[in-house]
Amino acid sequence: NAGVTQTPKFRILKIGQSMTLQCTQDMNHNYMYWYRQDPGMGLKLIYYSVGAGITDKGEVPNGYNVSRSTTEDFPLRLELAAPSQTSVYFCASSVTGVSSYEQYFGPGTRLTVT
Amino acid sequence: QQPVQSPQAVILREGEDAVINCSSSKALYSVHWYRQKHGEAPVFLMILLKGGEQKGHEKISASFNEKKQQSSLYLTASQLSYSGTYFCGTGGRKNNDMRFGAGTRLTVKP
Repeated sequence: NAGVTQTPKFRILKIGQSMTLQCTQDMNHNYMYWYRQDPGMGLKLIYYSVGAGITDKGEVPNGYNVSRSTTEDFPLRLELAAPSQTSVYFCASSVTGVSSYEQYFGPGTRLTVT
Repeated sequence: QQPVQSPQAVILREGEDAVINCSSSKALYSVHWYRQKHGEAPVFLMILLKGGEQKGHEKISASFNEKKQQSSLYLTASQLSYSGTYFCGTGGRKNNDMRFGAGTRLTVKP
């Protein structure tokens, strides 16, 4: 049982490039989330999904897109990367609603945009 | 709005106790506590739900005061392994209501 896995672990992008951060969970959780964590700060919710085919915006969705075609996978797409998107990105999953259940986090992707 | 954590940082000797506070300006449905070691993912410690009781796990426990919209994390007889950054997350009824504090950096020294 691998839990939540993320790829890549590190990535450097040039301004204007695009990329997809991959996230997979093997716990059959319905709910999945993408967070970003800036240095010295807490986590901020980008997007979340309550099941395959259903996604919704979080607190800071601008500049990102998501899709959820299967229960296991929840990729995050960055279009036209900007320096402000330099951050550590964490994917998480939970059995059901985030307010009532613990979240399991992946190891993170450290992204630098220069 | 992000919850406010205090203190921002604390340094302890092994065996000492610490309290980390988390307060919100919004009505809370739940409070989560996570610990994050440098370069690693946050790890769940405990969750307190509205109307729930104080929770504990070995030497780490937490309380949730709904009226004051506050939660406190208590670490007793601290161990070196307790070092890390502690985050509180406050939740409303909606899935996108979750907000995390900026964290409290705890350092335990021998």
